[in-house]
Amino acid sequence: NAGVTQTPKFRILKIGQSMTLQCTQDMNHNYMYWYRQDPGMGLKLIYYSVGAGITDKGEVPNGYNVSRSTTEDFPLRLELAAPSQTSVYFCASSYSAGTGELFFGEGSRLTVL
Amino acid sequence: DQQVKQNSPSLSVQEGRISILNCDYTNSMFDYFLWYKKYPAEGPTFLISISSIKDKNEDGRFTVFLNKSAKHLSLHIVPSQPGDSAVYFCAASAMIDNDMRFGAGTRLTVKP
Repeated sequence: NAGVTQTPKFRILKIGQSMTLQCTQDMNHNYMYWYRQDPGMGLKLIYYSVGAGITDKGEVPNGYNVSRSTTEDFPLRLELAAPSQTSVYFCASSYSAGTGELFFGEGSRLTVL
Repeated sequence: DQQVKQNSPSLSVQEGRISILNCDYTNSMFDYFLWYKKYPAEGPTFLISISSIKDKNEDGRFTVFLNKSAKHLSLHIVPSQPGDSAVYFCAASAMIDNDMRFGAGTRLTVKP
């Protein structure tokens, strides 16, 4: 009964380093999302995917890249990490867009120093 | 721009009493609204939703009310229990859209 699994849970990066946050879901959902949550703010959409091979930008895509080669996996790549990317990142999936509830992973806390 | 607003960062209520969490939105295209609950070190989990064709939806102790003319929705928890202590996020989406907009959250504390 895994649902949405994110790794790593915690990571500290130096400015300019790159890394990939992994996300996998076992519910056969077509829709997958990456959100970030900054202190005192709501979740903001970074990128989303409506199915394997299809990705699109959300509200705050700058500094990130994604890929969706399979239905299960939706990794988020941070290139040239900056302090502004210090945040908690949540991956989510849903069976439909618009009215589908989102199933979230536990989150990945990233600190860029 | 903050299209979904939760103006109360925190709320404290006594066990057994009613908790009322409020949410306002600005985008008239939103037609589906959800509440999520989040415990520390966990991801948000879905709690209850309402579509714009309704003005009320109830699920056990949780009721969501929607006032479309005021662009306002609220979540009522009756009776409140200590296990309800969490951060509650309001979210809104348009059925034609792939985006879901979230408020900043309200931290509810239910005191025994």
